[in-house]
Amino acid sequence: GAGVSQSPSNKVTEKGKDVELRCDPISGHTALYWYRQSLGQGLEFLIYFQGNSAPDKSGLPSDRFSAERTGGSVSTLTIQRTQQEDSAVYLCASSWSYEQYFGPGTRLTVT
Amino acid sequence: AQSVTQLDSQVPVFEEAPVELRCNYSSSVSVYLFWYVQYPNQGLQLLLKYLSGSTLVKGINGFEAEFNKSQTSFHLRKPSVHISDTAEYFCAVSGMDSNYQLIWGAGTKLIIKP
Repeated sequence: GAGVSQSPSNKVTEKGKDVELRCDPISGHTALYWYRQSLGQGLEFLIYFQGNSAPDKSGLPSDRFSAERTGGSVSTLTIQRTQQEDSAVYLCASSWSYEQYFGPGTRLTVT
Repeated sequence: AQSVTQLDSQVPVFEEAPVELRCNYSSSVSVYLFWYVQYPNQGLQLLLKYLSGSTLVKGINGFEAEFNKSQTSFHLRKPSVHISDTAEYFCAVSGMDSNYQLIWGAGTKLIIKP
């Protein structure tokens, strides 16, 4: 079956521009997570959606970051007024229990 | 709240030698434990997990891990590594009361020397 997909796979943007990153989770998975992985670093939790509950936004690094999940399925992570320190790989994962299934990530480069 | 410590950022090992990647956790509640692997330029995939039952857990690609509650550890082992095991390995923990969220270690890069 189809796994978690993310688009675009690579995104190069100029400092100050807004970007949108998309995640298509596995059908039927109620939970969706966004993580950030900077070069050579571990996973940094950003935001977590579980069913119809209010999302856990505790990991978002600033108010330039926001995410939504429409219809309990597709999610979009938006970064406004991008900064060079936002350059990283953004990973999405979905799950219905404790096992998280990861997408291939979006590599964001801010120039 | 939980935390995870992977003490080794990199572990170099010769091909066909055994390897152990260390993971320690802290938690005030019972936990579930996981190891994920990230091959170069790929997303993460589950290697193995401990939810309950036998404390020795076997995963894919010949890896195994042992849950040691008294030492709050979940070390990953493989008796003989191959070049294809070159990857980054992440340990993660979830408290049984945590609504499925995982707390992640910083990762350990396994470097296989020919």
